[in-house]
Amino acid sequence: EVQLVETGGGLVQPGRSLKLSCVASGFTFSSYWMYWIRQAPGKGLEWVSSINTDGGSTYYPDSVKGRFTISRDNAENTVYLQMNSLRSEDTATYYCAKGKDYFDYWGQGVMVTVSS
Amino acid sequence: DIVLTQSPALAVSLGQRATISCRASQSVSISRYNLMHWYQQKPGQQPKLLIYRASNLASGIPARFSGSGSGTDFTLTINPVQADDIATYYCQQSRESPNTFGAGTKLELK
Repeated sequence: EVQLVETGGGLVQPGRSLKLSCVASGFTFSSYWMYWIRQAPGKGLEWVSSINTDGGSTYYPDSVKGRFTISRDNAENTVYLQMNSLRSEDTATYYCAKGKDYFDYWGQGVMVTVSS
Repeated sequence: DIVLTQSPALAVSLGQRATISCRASQSVSISRYNLMHWYQQKPGQQPKLLIYRASNLASGIPARFSGSGSGTDFTLTINPVQADDIATYYCQQSRESPNTFGAGTKLELK
């Protein structure tokens, strides 16, 4: 059974940093691209980042480029999202997901609140 | 960015057909691949993949869900609607980066 478990969320002040982790199981982690997708309270879904199988290629939308960094450890079956210079508009539930050009499994999500 | 437009809500009766549409601001098809996907999200839960590449049923999804379309116009059909299908449905395109989602269609009971 595929499982994706996110941790690391919480309340953080604007301008500070936070690092999310997502531990994967139930599939060959090193064979899949991994993604982070977020959802602001009461709002829709926004893709945040992608990483290829060996971690050599990463992608971001303009809204987080230069502030967020995705990485992975294939030995630990874990994908990370380092979030720096956080803003109030980054407040959301953050999901990790696996897939190809679509997202076939999602974690349960972790809440990040950016507020003073 | 490719903008995906969905109606905000759709009211249906149990046992009837629900048709949810998604219109893209430009084509999301490449040769025979239609790079539009559909997700279901219930309150407090993570999204679940229903349909990938416009018409392919994801693993474990009941056959009452189906998808169609190409180019800029896509449809998710639920027939017949069951009580467990009350949720918000999102389309997503992977034709161009950034991947984008529609704003979601909330399926409600009539």
